[in-house]
Amino acid sequence: EPEVTQTPSHQVTQMGQEVILRCVPISNHLYFYWYRQILGQKVEFLVSFYNNEISEKSEIFDDQFSVERPDGSNFTLKIRSTKLEDSAMYFCASNQIWGRPDTEAFFGQGTRLTVV
Amino acid sequence: RKEVEQDPGPFNVPEGATVAFNCTYSNSASQSFFWYRQDCRKEPKLLMSVYSSGNEDGRFTAQLNRASQYISLLIRDSKLSDSATYLCVVNTQAGTALIFGKGTTLSVSS
Repeated sequence: EPEVTQTPSHQVTQMGQEVILRCVPISNHLYFYWYRQILGQKVEFLVSFYNNEISEKSEIFDDQFSVERPDGSNFTLKIRSTKLEDSAMYFCASNQIWGRPDTEAFFGQGTRLTVV
Repeated sequence: RKEVEQDPGPFNVPEGATVAFNCTYSNSASQSFFWYRQDCRKEPKLLMSVYSSGNEDGRFTAQLNRASQYISLLIRDSKLSDSATYLCVVNTQAGTALIFGKGTTLSVSS
C-alpha cells in the first residue's frame, strides 16, 4: 500500500535554530498538507499545497514557516528561529487523485520536534 | 476557524460492550465528514467516511444529521484492539483543510 513517509522521526533542536522537516507524499496525489499536534491537544491544520503553491494556510502558519517542493517527490516544512512552543508532532498528509471527487487523506508517521 | 466538538472521555468499557461517540460541528458549510482513529503518539488513520444516509463497516456504524450538525460513531462488540482515540473530522470541500476535534479516548478492558 502506498504511504506518506516523513524524516526524521524525531528532531531535537535548540531554540532559535532553523529546522527542515521532510515528507514524501504519495506519488499520484495532488494536495499536500502539514498539520501539527501539540502533546495532549488536537491536530491543527498548518498549510496546504497544490500545483506548486500554497492553496490555504491557517493563522498558525506565519512568517516563521515556509513550505517547498524542491523536486518531484519531496515536500518540506521549514521553521525559522524555533521557539519552545513549536515543540509538537508534525504530520504531513496528501490526498486527491485527479478525476476523483474526494479521496482519503493519508498521513505520514510524523516528526516529533522538540525545541530545547 | 469554526470548531469540531467531542466529548473527550475517557470511555472505559469491557470487551463486548457497545459504545457511542458524538460530535458536533459549527461550520454549516461542511461537506465531508470522517472518523479517524489515532493510537498513542501515532498518526491519524481513517476509520470511515460518514455519509448522509449513514453507513456501516463491520462493527462500526456512523450517522450524520446535517440539520443538527451532529455526527455519531457506534462501536459494537468492542475489542481490546479498539482502544484508541477517535477523532471526528470535517472539511468544507475536497482539497481543503481537515478540521479535527480533540478526540474521544476509548479504553477497552478484558
